[in-house]
Amino acid sequence: RKEVEQDPGPFNVPEGATVAFNCTYSNSASQSFFWYRQDCRKEPKLLMSVYSSGNEDGRFTAQLNRASQYISLLIRDSKLSDSATYLCVVNTFSGGYNKLIFGAGTRLAVHP
Amino acid sequence: NAGVTQTPKFRVLKTGQSMTLLCAQDMNHEYMYWYRQDPGMGLRLIHYSVGEGTTAKGEVPDGYNVSRLKKQNFLLGLESAAPSQTSVYFCASSTRDRGAGETQYFGPGTRLLVL
Repeated sequence: RKEVEQDPGPFNVPEGATVAFNCTYSNSASQSFFWYRQDCRKEPKLLMSVYSSGNEDGRFTAQLNRASQYISLLIRDSKLSDSATYLCVVNTFSGGYNKLIFGAGTRLAVHP
Repeated sequence: NAGVTQTPKFRVLKTGQSMTLLCAQDMNHEYMYWYRQDPGMGLRLIHYSVGEGTTAKGEVPDGYNVSRLKKQNFLLGLESAAPSQTSVYFCASSTRDRGAGETQYFGPGTRLLVL
C-alpha cells in the first residue's frame, strides 16, 4: 500500500463547477499536510497547508480528518487556469529528518 | 532574483556514462533537496542538505552522490547511469526545514533519459 494515495483522475469538469479531491495517508504519526499544484511539465508549487480545523484560501478549501487519515481539497467555481495536477503531501518525522511523502497526484482538466 | 535554477534542462545519456546536475539558488536558503519524479509515483527525496558542507541521504539515494561546497549550489552526480535513473529531477530549497510548513521553492526540473 502506498503511504499517500490519491485518485489519479483525470477529473474533467466545466468552468464554474465545484470539484473535490481526496487523499488518504497510512502513517498515523504524520504531523503536517499540504496540497501542491503542478502544471504540465513544470515544477510543483505549494498551494496551501492543511490545518486540523480546516482552512480556506479564496476558492480553495482544505480539510483534514486525522481519525480517518484523510485529507481533502475542494475547489469552487473552477477556472480554466485551475487545470493542473494536485499533489497531496504528508510530512512525518522519521529517520532523523522531516520526511515529505508526495502522492502521485490527481489531474484536473477544466473545460469551457 | 532567479530563484532556483537547474542545469541542464534535458540530457540523454548512455548506460554507464556519468554526469552532474547543477542546482543553484539565490535566496540564501540553508536547506536544499534533490527529488526525482517518475510517472504514477510521487516525488521521492534522493539527498538533501541542511547547510553548506553537509549532505544526507533521503529515501532513494542509491546510485547518486551529492555535494554542497557552496551554500548556493547543490550538485547531484550520477557516476554510472542506468536506465532506471531515467526520470525528471527537481531541486528545491527552503529557509528552514520544509516539513514544518516552510515553503520549499522548486527549480524547473531536469529531464534525464538513460538509454
